[in-house]
This record gives sequence, structure tokens and C-alpha cells, in this order.
Amino acid sequence: DAKTTQPPSMDCAEGRAANLPCNHSTISGNEYVYWYRQIHSQGPQYIIHGLKNNETNEMASLIITEDRKSSTLILPHATLRDTAVYYCIVSTGNQFYFGTGTSLTVIP
Amino acid sequence: NAGVTQTPKFRILKIGQSMTLQCTQDMNHNYMYWYRQDPGMGLKLIYYSVGAGITDKGEVPNGYNVSRSTTEDFPLRLELAAPSQTSVYFCASRQHDLYGYTFGSGTRLTVV
Repeated sequence: DAKTTQPPSMDCAEGRAANLPCNHSTISGNEYVYWYRQIHSQGPQYIIHGLKNNETNEMASLIITEDRKSSTLILPHATLRDTAVYYCIVSTGNQFYFGTGTSLTVIP
Repeated sequence: NAGVTQTPKFRILKIGQSMTLQCTQDMNHNYMYWYRQDPGMGLKLIYYSVGAGITDKGEVPNGYNVSRSTTEDFPLRLELAAPSQTSVYFCASRQHDLYGYTFGSGTRLTVV
């Protein structure tokens, strides 16, 4: 069961902000929104997570709408090393189900 | 600080052979997971464990077995390898059910 919907691919110019959207219209009250990315064939890397408040860390910002039905991951100044597949996941915490994500290409 | 270590990195198996994919973590994490990733696809959860002695099935458990005798180790066993099990296998761990995962670098398995 796909709990999240993401665009299959996006481009972003190097140095610009990358805004990756995610729809999760069936999210329940105790489910968190998590973001991971996978660079080439490496293991996925945790980026950020949140429940209902916006969150920021050294990698990215997470903006969650007030109704919690969608969110946006923001990479403030994209670099070529941010080219990866980005996964948006909703979970109560015990199990994560990964979809096919958004393939982000950062263009020089 | 090794994190999550998977061995081997690559393996070719013949149909019907068996093998164990090893996963060990040195972070004293309670939760451990096995995923498989087919080409161009997302990750599928095979099995997971919330602590030593406790394991449970994920989305695609058929053809696999796991055990969790210690906090550190979570091996994945393939008893009768089939071509459909050709995939990249990732092990992951985390401390608490609200924390992010730490993934290993993966085991690339080919069954011929």
C-alpha cells in the first residue's frame, strides 16, 4: 500500500534550493514523516523527520502542511553531491516502507 | 565507529544453494532490519527485529529466515536460492522507533 506519492524525477540548478514535494493524504495522527536519500547504489541515508512542526537540521528543512496531508523537503543550496533518489516515508516508527521516491538531478 | 557492517559485499550463488548474509552493528541499537532492493525499485522489508530474541516478518519474507541471538548481530538466511532472490540486500539498525535508520553498504547477490 503506497502511503506517499512523490514525483518520479526532478531537476535543480546547482546552488539553488531544491524543493521536493510529498503527498501523504491518509496519514494518521501518530505517524511521522521521514525523509531518506540514496546516492547511487549506497545504503539509504537518513535526512530528517517530523510530526507536525517544521524541522531543520544541517542537511535540510522539512515543511509539513497544517493538515499534515503533504510535506516538502528543502535542500537550501543544492550541490552536485545531492544528486540522489529521495524517499518520503510515513510511519509510526516500527517499520518503514519505501516507495520508488524522487530521482533528483542537480545540474551544473 | 563502524556502524552497520554487512558481509559479504558480493556473492554469486547457484540455484538451490544456501547462504547467510551477515549483519552486525556496534551502536547498541535495539531495532534491526533487512531490506532487499531490486533494480530501479524501492526497498522492500524482509524481516525486522525489535530486540534480541524477537523477530517478525515484513512485506516479502518468503524464502528467508532470520535470527537475533544478540543485540549486535542479525543474520539473514537463504535456504534454497532462486533467481528471484537476485537483489541488493541492505541491513539497517536504529536505537529507538522514532529515530532514523543507519544502513549498511549492502550485499549484492546474484543467483544463477
